[in-house]
Amino acid sequence: EAQVTQNPRYLITVTGKKLTVTCSQNMNHEYMSWYRQDPGLGLRQIYYSMNVEVTDKGDVPEGYKVSRKEKRNFPLILESPSPNQTSLYFCASSFNPLTIGANTEAFFGQGTRLTVV
Amino acid sequence: GDSVTQMEGPVTLSEEAFLTINCTYTATGYPSLFWYVQYPGEGLQLLLKATKADDKGSNKGFEATYRKETTSFHLEKGSVQVSDSAVYFCALSVGGSQGNLIFGKGTKLSVKP
Repeated sequence: EAQVTQNPRYLITVTGKKLTVTCSQNMNHEYMSWYRQDPGLGLRQIYYSMNVEVTDKGDVPEGYKVSRKEKRNFPLILESPSPNQTSLYFCASSFNPLTIGANTEAFFGQGTRLTVV
Repeated sequence: GDSVTQMEGPVTLSEEAFLTINCTYTATGYPSLFWYVQYPGEGLQLLLKATKADDKGSNKGFEATYRKETTSFHLEKGSVQVSDSAVYFCALSVGGSQGNLIFGKGTKLSVKP
């Protein structure tokens, strides 16, 4: 089954304690990205990756890091989480929008609800 | 910059009522337009899409027509069911080097029996 898998689904942590949210896809997609969803703001892109070892900032990258060492995995790293990073996070993947174009469908994980206290 | 504006929610309807969720966009290029749906506790999934002007996307009884002259992509369904209760997101993509989807803020729909 084609899917994007995120872990964990729920996480409560304390300010400053480093954490990683994993994301894996089994569709051989080149493009992966992370979004955060906040009430009244919709989804905003944090980071994206066009391919292995190619990552770039989205619209709200401050406080986050990513890596893309393998095509299927795209972890989101919070080195020093703060309460304003409490949010619902989604990983997404698709074929490369540069080659496929703007109509490429994105597949989303089930989300990670993060609370930073 | 590129943006999407969709009607504020929440929207509450009775079963079998007609649904319209308005969506308008601003884009410098020629975007593709999407509706995504988020059921409770789940991730987003593509509901329908349209890639050029006058295209109509349809799925599960939902429809939306890409109107370039009014920069709109309104979502409609003739008869909603309780199982349609979800959050609906309008989105656009212009592809390119960032390739990201730009989302509206979402509209929560609740359908009562």
